[in-house]
Amino acid sequence: GAVVSQHPSWVICKSGTSVKIECRSLDFQATTMFWYRQFPKQSLMLMATSNEGSKATYEQGVEKDKFLINHASLTLSTLTVTSAHPEDSSFYICSARDSGTSGRGVYNEQFFGPGTRLTVL
Amino acid sequence: GEDVEQSLFLSVREGDSSVINCTYTDSSSTYLYWYKQEPGAGLQLLTYIFSNMDMKQDQRLTVLLNKKDKHLSLRIADTQTGDSAIYFCAGRSLVFGKGTRLSVIA
Repeated sequence: GAVVSQHPSWVICKSGTSVKIECRSLDFQATTMFWYRQFPKQSLMLMATSNEGSKATYEQGVEKDKFLINHASLTLSTLTVTSAHPEDSSFYICSARDSGTSGRGVYNEQFFGPGTRLTVL
Repeated sequence: GEDVEQSLFLSVREGDSSVINCTYTDSSSTYLYWYKQEPGAGLQLLTYIFSNMDMKQDQRLTVLLNKKDKHLSLRIADTQTGDSAIYFCAGRSLVFGKGTRLSVIA
């Protein structure tokens, strides 16, 4: 149990287009999901916290109008990179916090998706 | 904000023990976690330790926590080539260190 999926796994797009990345908790409910960005050989940088049914909380320096987050249900959050540019190319990882339904019993455990590699040409 | 520091690289021979260290500043975390990231993949929770424990052993993994020094370590016994990955420590505040890249030499 406690699997998080991301779709797509990788995407290549032209500069100026928008790209939507989905994050799903497959067998548990997640009231909170997180979006991270990871540059090559670097750590994860938390971009925003997505709460089901409310607005996302963005970290300092992250443009909320550029990285649109929607958490419409307890199992799905989406990140839309609007008007993507080459500097947005990165590995985007989501995670879902176990709200107690996964059965693993580890408080506050996050389950990570496999990541989405975005390349903007 | 919180800061998490890890050494960036560690190289060991297959069969030896690996010790990955982490220092953190946020002492309020109820749990402290170790995650493993294999190339091109997301993070996988490897193990965790409750903040009122000093040590936790889980098969080949041993986690040591020194709350006074805010130091966390992960020991991997009998390291295998499949253990080659990046290891991140994290606390409740979701701040990750840069990760330690473990290379296992056959």
